[in-house]
Amino acid sequence: AQSVTQPDIHITVSEGASLELRCNYSYGATPYLFWYVQSPGQGLQLLLKYFSGDTLVQGIKGFEAEFKRSQSSFNLRKPSVHWSDAAEYFCAVGEVGDYKLSFGAGTTVTVRA
Amino acid sequence: GAVVSQHPSRVICKSGTSVKIECRSLDFQATTMFWYRQFPKQSLMLMATSNEGSKATYEQGVEKDKFLINHASLTLSTLTVTSAHPEDSSFYICSARDGSPGQGFDEQFFGPGTRLTVL
Repeated sequence: AQSVTQPDIHITVSEGASLELRCNYSYGATPYLFWYVQSPGQGLQLLLKYFSGDTLVQGIKGFEAEFKRSQSSFNLRKPSVHWSDAAEYFCAVGEVGDYKLSFGAGTTVTVRA
Repeated sequence: GAVVSQHPSRVICKSGTSVKIECRSLDFQATTMFWYRQFPKQSLMLMATSNEGSKATYEQGVEKDKFLINHASLTLSTLTVTSAHPEDSSFYICSARDGSPGQGFDEQFFGPGTRLTVL
């Protein structure tokens, strides 16, 4: 069975600084990997995904993530955070065939002025 | 993108009563809907997969008699928490998959969630 680990529970970053959120996964085959953002009162929004091909994927809101098979990682990055990036971020791995998603525990991002 | 709504957004009920939560896909047909439960500061845990016109598939450890799921149409799935107890208090989130031909894995859209508090 697949599993996802997000080692950082909470990250505080200054506005304008760079951000990196870590994600490690355990999955037997080539995974489908996702990053979602959850803001209060809103549903999870897909930031980006990796299925195959180029290991550096670009997403919405200026986010990018890099798939590293050797490290079983799919870390999310943003060069310069905005106050509106304060939210909960979830990494997820998808199961081929039935479209189920397994989520990590999430990382809360706080942006200070 | 596609929109999924949930109703109600918040509900408080007494222990022993039943509560129904609706999940609707507003602008697409959802052949599959998923129900998740999220505890404070924790991840989303998949409870069940709901396919239109068939019985829901529950994840291990989820009581199917307590959490009744009905997916009667391509735009509506309901989760009924029966004989609710305080330990059922949680944040319930649904997602809907657009089953149109050609849609890939990423076509799963999430509702805003329902906060259930059982007194």
